[in-house]
Amino acid sequence: ETGVTQTPRHLVMGMTNKKSLKCEQHLGHNAMYWYKQSAKKPLELMFVYNFKEQTENNSVPSRFSPECPNSSHLFLHLHTLQPEDSALYLCASSHNPIDTQYFGPGTRLTVL
Amino acid sequence: AQKITQTQPGMFVQEKEAVTLDCTYDTSDQSYGLFWYKQPSSGEMIFLIYQGSYDEQNATEGRYSLNFQKARKSANLVISASQLGDSAMYFCAMREVYTGANSKLTFGKGITLSVRP
Repeated sequence: ETGVTQTPRHLVMGMTNKKSLKCEQHLGHNAMYWYKQSAKKPLELMFVYNFKEQTENNSVPSRFSPECPNSSHLFLHLHTLQPEDSALYLCASSHNPIDTQYFGPGTRLTVL
Repeated sequence: AQKITQTQPGMFVQEKEAVTLDCTYDTSDQSYGLFWYKQPSSGEMIFLIYQGSYDEQNATEGRYSLNFQKARKSANLVISASQLGDSAMYFCAMREVYTGANSKLTFGKGITLSVRP
């Protein structure tokens, strides 16, 4: 596979469920990102990782827990979410934190 | 003040014609980068074109060109010879470097482009 992949592409979960979103990049990049895209809002940066270390947490609630085991993989663990967390979650990667970011196809999350 | 402003609510263009999507930005930095991304209904953000603040020439990538007017702080995207597959949301984004090795990419609200056959 090439580029940035995300699984699952669609996810429906209840407020008490625990689920995880997965992102994998095949570009040899060192930085990875989670973004949230809600309807009628600009894209919001959630987390930044560089060489597996978290370098930014943009005041994200603790019910979102990121994990970056290596430079190619990024996870977003979800628990006790709220309906307002329903959104498109996009993963991106770049060679370094100031380089062009390339995005995955996103996971469309619905919280019931 | 908004960092990135995209005010056009929705744009329509006839197939094979050119279209300009507007973007203005606000920054006090001297060094910054401007990007355009395309987002089809499938959701993926596709990188189109990049312009550095120190680049003297306007960036071009195939049918895409960026009309960069630094003094006016505008970075409009021009799509020539529109195709039906160009129908999508288009986002302007700006990268500001806030530490030696970190930066933040700020996105505008996006513009919907519809290409008519």
